[in-house]
Amino acid sequence: DAGVIQSPRHEVTEMGQEVTLRCKPISGHDYLFWYRQTMMRGLELLIYFNNNVPIDDSGMPEDRFSAKMPNASFSTLKIQPSEPRDSAVYFCASTLFGGVTGELFFGEGSRLTVL
Amino acid sequence: DAKTTQPPSMDCAEGRAANLPCNHSTISGNEYVYWYRQIHSQGPQYIIHGLKNNETNEMASLIITEDRKSSTLILPHATLRDTAVYYCIRLPQGGSEKLVFGKGTKLTVNP
Repeated sequence: DAGVIQSPRHEVTEMGQEVTLRCKPISGHDYLFWYRQTMMRGLELLIYFNNNVPIDDSGMPEDRFSAKMPNASFSTLKIQPSEPRDSAVYFCASTLFGGVTGELFFGEGSRLTVL
Repeated sequence: DAKTTQPPSMDCAEGRAANLPCNHSTISGNEYVYWYRQIHSQGPQYIIHGLKNNETNEMASLIITEDRKSSTLILPHATLRDTAVYYCIRLPQGGSEKLVFGKGTKLTVNP
């Protein structure tokens, strides 16, 4: 299995631009999570989906952030407009309900730099 | 709020056992102890978890005290590739969405 695949690995953009991060979860997994990691705040859960349905988006910082999961094999995290404080590493993770609870499989992350 | 306490950093000599402590004195009866690690520039990686019995897998051993207020992750023969941040996390059964990462312990394995 290829694991959780994220793209792009690195993104540098200017303030005000739209940013779209992509994630392909492990095939068969029914939970998908988006995390953000910064030096100041560590790893934070932004939103998670179950069977493509958003369950809890209380961690999404503000309306500039949105996430979708149109099908079981693809999710996007969009920031529009982007701001310098959005600079972080964004991780996607997936897991299977009924598997080892708490065993999340993380992707390699997307490092975002907003100038 | 990760609700666990870990030392910010530790050092270990290559080939020796690395013992990483975690305090979770307020853990509830239905909460497991999970360990993850994050190697620089990579996503977190699950290591092991347990409820009250000691656990061992191919990566590590987990020792949980009888009162469940603390635990120790043991890497029996640390290698340079084990240098990482190690996170100890409390998690209720069935609550994957409640995986909250604290600051963890930065383990440095020295040659």
